[in-house]
Amino acid sequence: SQQGEEDPQALSIQEGENATMNCSYKTSINNLQWYRQNSGRGLVHLILIRSNEREKHSGRLRVTLDTSKKSSSLLITASRAADTASYFCATDPSNTGNQFYFGTGTSLTVIP
Amino acid sequence: ETGVTQSPTHLIKTRGQQVTLRCSSQSGHNTVSWYQQALGQGPQFIFQYYREEENGRGNFPPRFSGLQFPNYSSELNVNALELDDSALYLCASSLTPSTDTQYFGPGTRLTVL
Repeated sequence: SQQGEEDPQALSIQEGENATMNCSYKTSINNLQWYRQNSGRGLVHLILIRSNEREKHSGRLRVTLDTSKKSSSLLITASRAADTASYFCATDPSNTGNQFYFGTGTSLTVIP
Repeated sequence: ETGVTQSPTHLIKTRGQQVTLRCSSQSGHNTVSWYQQALGQGPQFIFQYYREEENGRGNFPPRFSGLQFPNYSSELNVNALELDDSALYLCASSLTPSTDTQYFGPGTRLTVL
């Protein structure tokens, strides 16, 4: 079974609006990463947040991590049509060393 | 562009056949991980290779095997193909076996008929 679960499964917003997607996971982790995937092709790394960090920014992206609730959120501000993609969180449980576990993803559609 | 390439882009096989998928990692990346992504799902970890040795395996049967070569290329082999093996297969390279940033290739779409 997969470690992470994203919520919502699908999100549709207007260009310029903010998009927020959430990720919940089950066990303690070393770090959590967010990836983006366009049209079933390769994944692109967006941001990594370590278990001792609470918030991280990269351009229009903001990620938060709450280890007590085992959850993370990804905020995309001022969305663009080009942000249309699937977004996945990936966790590496502390007891599995080098394995990533991906959730089922959030499908984001940004309407021009 | 991540600098990771995969071949072929698409592949159609029939049940029971064998298939080899190829990946070329970023130069200097000693670690490659392989994932299977079924339609509408997130990628699932198959295994990882570090310096030409298997370095961790997910919940996949032994008919999934791999090789890693000194020139930063690697292979995923699947024997006795089943219909459920139809998926997008992704390789990802990284500098170390730890779970830092992985750089994904564009994937190979395998269809088993």
